[in-house]
Amino acid sequence: GDSVTQMEGPVTLSEEAFLTINCTYTATGYPSLFWYVQYPGEGLQLLLKATKADDKGSNKGFEATYRKETTSFHLEKGSVQVSDSAVYFCALSEYGNKLVFGAGTILRVKS
Amino acid sequence: NAGVTQTPKFQVLKTGQSMTLQCAQDMNHEYMSWYRQDPGMGLRLIHYSVGAGITDQGEVPNGYNVSRSTTEDFPLRLLSAAPSQTSVYFCASSPRQGANTGELFFGEGSRLTVL
Repeated sequence: GDSVTQMEGPVTLSEEAFLTINCTYTATGYPSLFWYVQYPGEGLQLLLKATKADDKGSNKGFEATYRKETTSFHLEKGSVQVSDSAVYFCALSEYGNKLVFGAGTILRVKS
Repeated sequence: NAGVTQTPKFQVLKTGQSMTLQCAQDMNHEYMSWYRQDPGMGLRLIHYSVGAGITDQGEVPNGYNVSRSTTEDFPLRLLSAAPSQTSVYFCASSPRQGANTGELFFGEGSRLTVL
């Protein structure tokens, strides 16, 4: 079945450092891909998405490109802030709103 | 601007007890779902519904029941709680189709401990 694999955390960075969180997926068809973010004590919220190969999703300085050839959707940000500290989930959907999530990556940003 | 509201936020149960986690949304979303979040495993889909009167099983449905009598409400029932059901539970909703497919709106979660 479909699955999503994320890099293990926690990832600890200093403020203004470059961020990459790796995500690869396995799917039978051509899924839509998502990054969700969960801030402490809150539910998940959509950060960005891409619906077809070579699409780039972007939001709040984060971006990720749908790479079909490497089945990847890595999350990047050029300069992280303390307020970016959260858990980041990569997810895919082949069938409407049924999402398959990765295990999540904890990001900690130090000032 | 309520969005998705879950109650209770915290609950402690003894093995064998029953309870219902409540979920309500005020966005007129057709699709609603329940996930459980466990360390190192991400979120796993328990049950989902594509509209009033329609429910279906997700990846981990055993031990849970749901019903969808109205568009707004989607309660999750544990009939006989087990320690393996200790988890954080999230309710999520979405418009059923269209450009927002895959964008789920989550509640704040319900932390359940089964002793």
